[in-house]
Amino acid sequence: NAGVMQNPRHLVRRRGQEARLRCSPMKGHSHVYWYRQLPEEGLKFMVYLQKENIIDESGMPKERFSAEFPKEGPSILRIQQVVRGDSAAYFCASSPQREKLFFGSGTQLSVL
Amino acid sequence: AQTVTQSQPEMSVQEAETVTLSCTYDTSESDYYLFWYKQPPSRQMILVIRQEAYKQQNATENRFSVNFQKAAKSFSLKISDSQLGDAAMYFCAYRSGDSGDKLTFGTGTRLAVRP
Repeated sequence: NAGVMQNPRHLVRRRGQEARLRCSPMKGHSHVYWYRQLPEEGLKFMVYLQKENIIDESGMPKERFSAEFPKEGPSILRIQQVVRGDSAAYFCASSPQREKLFFGSGTQLSVL
Repeated sequence: AQTVTQSQPEMSVQEAETVTLSCTYDTSESDYYLFWYKQPPSRQMILVIRQEAYKQQNATENRFSVNFQKAAKSFSLKISDSQLGDAAMYFCAYRSGDSGDKLTFGTGTRLAVRP
């Protein structure tokens, strides 16, 4: 059973471009969470999704950020018009229920 | 809102010795869970140990154990017989028993293991 898969592992974008981060949860997991980690800080919750539903987006910035978890395919975290402050590691985690989380290895986003 | 505080940015331990990492938290809830995660240079977040607040017995996982002091809101991690592979960032995390969805993390402690 493969773990939580995130890609790309590294993503470089110029200011103003769009960033798309993908997360494939573990097989059988229907709950997906996105976290952001700034340098030398802990992870901060962004959004919690189930298939085709956003359950809690209280940690998402109000503008430029969106997330989806379609019926088929991976969960996508989308950042429009990136700015330097968006540079961070973005982690996805999945769970079969609201219990133990399994984390991916993260996507390191660098904005030039 | 819940907060998690790790007051030790860096710690160092001699191989085979024991080290304790500190964590305190603030909450008004009675039902919650506490976790320690390890983040090696690979960046993978690895669950080390988990504690349910309603359990008085301290959780243990092989060389890893916790000292859970609910009244003091303290949740320290003890690593016994430290190994070189234990070198990593360690994060303490809190999860509410009600919402159950979000983890609140501390800022982490970087552990170095001296050979």
